[in-house]
Amino acid sequence: AQTVTQSQPEMSVQEAETVTLSCTYDTSENNYYLFWYKQPPSRQMILVIRQEAYKQQNATENRFSVNFQKAAKSFSLKISDSQLGDTAMYFCAFMKGRGGGGADGLTFGKGTHLIIQP
Amino acid sequence: EAQVTQNPRYLITVTGKKLTVTCSQNMNHEYMSWYRQDPGLGLRQIYYSMNVEVTDKGDVPEGYKVSRKEKRNFPLILESPSPNQTSLYFCASSPRGRDSYEQYFGPGTRLTVT
Repeated sequence: AQTVTQSQPEMSVQEAETVTLSCTYDTSENNYYLFWYKQPPSRQMILVIRQEAYKQQNATENRFSVNFQKAAKSFSLKISDSQLGDTAMYFCAFMKGRGGGGADGLTFGKGTHLIIQP
Repeated sequence: EAQVTQNPRYLITVTGKKLTVTCSQNMNHEYMSWYRQDPGLGLRQIYYSMNVEVTDKGDVPEGYKVSRKEKRNFPLILESPSPNQTSLYFCASSPRGRDSYEQYFGPGTRLTVT
């Protein structure tokens, strides 16, 4: 079974600053995917960014980027030029590849509540 | 519009009264899952389904049942709800395919059991 750990229950930064959210995971799988989800006060789950474990290049989506360190099993999220609308819960999630069979679905960390201060 | 719908969105019920939370997707996805979200615990998987008539337990299946008689629907059944099942529930779906791993989430169902 895999585990996902987010060690920062809450973070607060000023608008326009850069912030990094930490995530580590543990797995014996070789084929897997990692995700960051955003959950604003509306509670909707919004995919922010995803990383395929077989890709060495770090994923980037506009102001969001990841630092994927496969050997260290680390998957941090960097938000540049933070905005008030970035205030939300952020969840790191793991999913093993489907080719080998077995259970399907996401394993989530406990979340980091990010607050962007004006 | 491609979407996952859940009903009801909010439900307050009493201990022991059977209830069903429906989930439906219009994207012809093979994979569907149910998760519950509790403060400080993140989201945890209850059940998942890989296709019609194929379901299996996730991490926290106790007290829940599911069925997958049609591809689009994946209802969550609480035969005898208890207060510890008070939670926010999400249904999600995703397509089959080597690189199709994005999960599409429903809007959530807030359940309170008194």
